[in-house]
Amino acid sequence: QITLKESGPTLVKPTQTLTLTCTFSGFSLSTSGVGVGWIRQPPGKALEWLALIYWDDDKRYSPSLKSRLTITKDTSKNQVVLTMTNMDPVDTATYYCAHSPGWSSYFDYWGQGTLVTVSS
Amino acid sequence: DIQMTQSPSSVSASVGDRVTITCRASQGISSWLAWYQQKPGKAPKLLIYAASSLQSGVPSRFSGSGSGTDFTLTISSLQPEDFATYYCQQANSFPPTFGQGTKLEIK
Repeated sequence: QITLKESGPTLVKPTQTLTLTCTFSGFSLSTSGVGVGWIRQPPGKALEWLALIYWDDDKRYSPSLKSRLTITKDTSKNQVVLTMTNMDPVDTATYYCAHSPGWSSYFDYWGQGTLVTVSS
Repeated sequence: DIQMTQSPSSVSASVGDRVTITCRASQGISSWLAWYQQKPGKAPKLLIYAASSLQSGVPSRFSGSGSGTDFTLTISSLQPEDFATYYCQQANSFPPTFGQGTKLEIK
């Protein structure tokens, strides 16, 4: 079965760079059409899509955050990494990674999420 | 970006009720719409994709309809486990965008 799990720091300071890793199993990111995305959710607020990487290394970013985001994949390790620069307290949120099937931007399997707090 | 607007923002209902949640896109998205259910402290769960296709394992009391700009999620007979927050998401074009959520509460 497909599983995903996010890992990374729970606390970062303002202006620092956040690096989150999504480790997955049950699928391959070299399979045609498959993607892995990142979505975040500030406490008590709605979901916000951040980035998505496809099997062919096509990368898509939220326009409002594009200058701060980088998404990469390591197919051999079954991992996707998201970096976000210049963190600010408003970036405090639960960060999820999720599987995207078949050339779409739907998300059918999600990790449990990791809460990242930005505070000095 | 395509804006997704859900209504109502919250709704109170009883077990056994039929509930409908609406999602409107700021421009046409064909049938590229998904619905998710989220319970407190948990990740969202995909219920419906392509506006009306039921995700595997999701109970048949959930159904979706609509195309273009107007969509609905219907729960035919509420069960205790259905009380949660529901989000729509458009997958027609980048960036994918979510609605603000509809909280379904017990009356």
